[in-house]
Amino acid sequence: EIVLTQSPGTLSVSPGERVSLSCRASQSVSGTYLAWYQQKSGQAPRLLIYGASKRVTGIADRFSGSGSGTDFTLTIGSLEPEDFAVYFCQQYGNPPLTFGQGTRLEIK
Amino acid sequence: QVQLVQSGAEVKKPGASVKVSCKASGYTFTNYAMHWVRQAPGQRLEWMAWINGDNGNTKYSQKFQARITVTRDTSANTDYMELKNLTSEDTAVYYCARARVGLDSWGQGTLVTVSS
Repeated sequence: EIVLTQSPGTLSVSPGERVSLSCRASQSVSGTYLAWYQQKSGQAPRLLIYGASKRVTGIADRFSGSGSGTDFTLTIGSLEPEDFAVYFCQQYGNPPLTFGQGTRLEIK
Repeated sequence: QVQLVQSGAEVKKPGASVKVSCKASGYTFTNYAMHWVRQAPGQRLEWMAWINGDNGNTKYSQKFQARITVTRDTSANTDYMELKNLTSEDTAVYYCARARVGLDSWGQGTLVTVSS
């Protein structure tokens, strides 16, 4: 199975800053079938990006995804207070579906 | 709007079984597959199973193959996930999630606690 490794584990940033979160796969992800989710405490994950770079309808355009093969990035253009959460990547191109361990964004 | 509503929290003893339901609304139930994913404390999300939207075919993670069953009641727009022979390591929040591009809608989660 494909192992997804996210970095960093925790990122302390200030509102208004731009951040990039990394997700690295142990082998190439088929068809750029890579998604990003946001999860706030006590809530279910929310899909932000699919197909590595396609933003879900209704998701703010400060969220963008890029990458292919084994290296993927989620960029948040200018952090809003509501963006402080945990972010997961997930691949759905090679069964079984697998998830990264998450990157926590915390307020500096 | 799409809604997935799961059954409530459960407390089970080791060796018991649990059955979690996931009732869908706001879309044509048979047009989409459903996945089951769990999140144990401090662990990453873990995929468990998938059920095809129209024909009910299932696929299970090798890790759970021997003790998981996912079923679908199309008349009730509800999927069910049963996990048997529970141990303390099965303590987790269990989610159903609709498969579209990625997992685009999630249930609220069902906490299953396994404790003697």
